[in-house]
Amino acid sequence: ETGVTQTPRHLVMGMTNKKSLKCEQHLGHNAMYWYKQSAKKPLELMFVYSLEERVENNSVPSRFSPECPNSSHLFLHLHTLQPEDSALYLCASSQDGGENTIYFGEGSWLTVV
Amino acid sequence: QKEVEQNSGPLSVPEGAIASLNCTYSDRGSQSFFWYRQYSGKSPELIMSIYSNGDKEDGRFTAQLNKASQYVSLLIRDSQPSDSATYLCAVMNRDDKIIFGKGTRLHILP
Repeated sequence: ETGVTQTPRHLVMGMTNKKSLKCEQHLGHNAMYWYKQSAKKPLELMFVYSLEERVENNSVPSRFSPECPNSSHLFLHLHTLQPEDSALYLCASSQDGGENTIYFGEGSWLTVV
Repeated sequence: QKEVEQNSGPLSVPEGAIASLNCTYSDRGSQSFFWYRQYSGKSPELIMSIYSNGDKEDGRFTAQLNKASQYVSLLIRDSQPSDSATYLCAVMNRDDKIIFGKGTRLHILP
């Protein structure tokens, strides 16, 4: 079992749909992240949760809504997305105050049509 | 000034040669440095972390850190075609934020 698991791995949604991405980490970490990676662009940090509290929101549009019910689970709720939101969405976790290394999930490929 | 800079490449290296990947960073107070490898269509995976000046070796990989020059590098010895990927440099700055570079595409020529 991998340390950080994401579902679904692939998602196609229309611009009026509502969907959610799910992430679960099995590493005992206390911080979780959502990153966006578009073609030929660097990783973009979207949200950071530390001890289940959102500590960073990098000017992400409100059509992306994160939720962190506990330290092991992280969701990204999606609604009324745009085609330019099509990208690889990566969940990650780390141990703040520890080695601080970020470990990534396998990613969710999102296509907005 | 960009916080973490990498040459985007592609960097082409013959099989068996040494591949050298470079990264510079702007925050002199940075303490932790990481190299990730990302295959096309996959997520980044951690290769090396380095925290103090000098070299750190792990198998065919050597990370080099020079805090005075704000420079971190990754050397890959005996390059293999399977090393072809994008290599991401990541730096934890003084605010404990991890900043990623844009990555360098490495192509090992068989």
